[in-house]
Amino acid sequence: NAGVTQTPKFQVLKTGQSMTLQCAQDMNHNSMYWYRQDPGMGLRLIYYSASEGTTDKGEVPNGYNVSRLNKREFSLRLESAAPSQTSVYFCASSGRGFDEQYFGPGTRLTVT
Amino acid sequence: AQSVTQPDIHITVSEGASLELRCNYSYGATPYLFWYVQSPGQGLQLLLKYFSGDTLVQGIKGFEAEFKRSQSSFNLRKPSVHWSDAAEYFCAVGAQWDSSASKIIFGSGTRLSIRP
Repeated sequence: NAGVTQTPKFQVLKTGQSMTLQCAQDMNHNSMYWYRQDPGMGLRLIYYSASEGTTDKGEVPNGYNVSRLNKREFSLRLESAAPSQTSVYFCASSGRGFDEQYFGPGTRLTVT
Repeated sequence: AQSVTQPDIHITVSEGASLELRCNYSYGATPYLFWYVQSPGQGLQLLLKYFSGDTLVQGIKGFEAEFKRSQSSFNLRKPSVHWSDAAEYFCAVGAQWDSSASKIIFGSGTRLSIRP
């Protein structure tokens, strides 16, 4: 039981490049989330998926897209990376909306 | 709007001393409240949660938190800290996002350092 896994762990991009962050969970959870963490700002919700087949915007969705590929997998795509997207990205999952969330180890992304 | 405030950005305590981390929330209904811990370079791990019932909740690693509705607070406590408790601590509240979904709102975090 691996919990929530994320790939890659680290990534450096040049401005304008694209990439996809992958997330998978093996806990049969319905809901999955993408957050970004910046110093002094806590975690901010980018996108979430309440159930398979649905996705919705969070607090800071601009510049990102997501895909809920199946119940296990939820990917985050940066189409044209900007330096403002330098951050640590966390994926999380939960059984129901107010249940505790289980977090992946994070992806540290630097955009130069 | 729902919000969570952690007024202390950084706290340093001596090993063996008691600890209290403050958290205040703003939410109209009965809140779902959480404390998470993040060790350096790691994801977040749940310490404890409050949904209903007894207002004093026990968590992992010897932590506890008390829900005080009148003060809109959910402070985290530990009677005697260990060097391994050095980490960042996040308070969070469950909130209704829209008619069909809910989410968790996180505070900005309190970094805990331990003095030997």
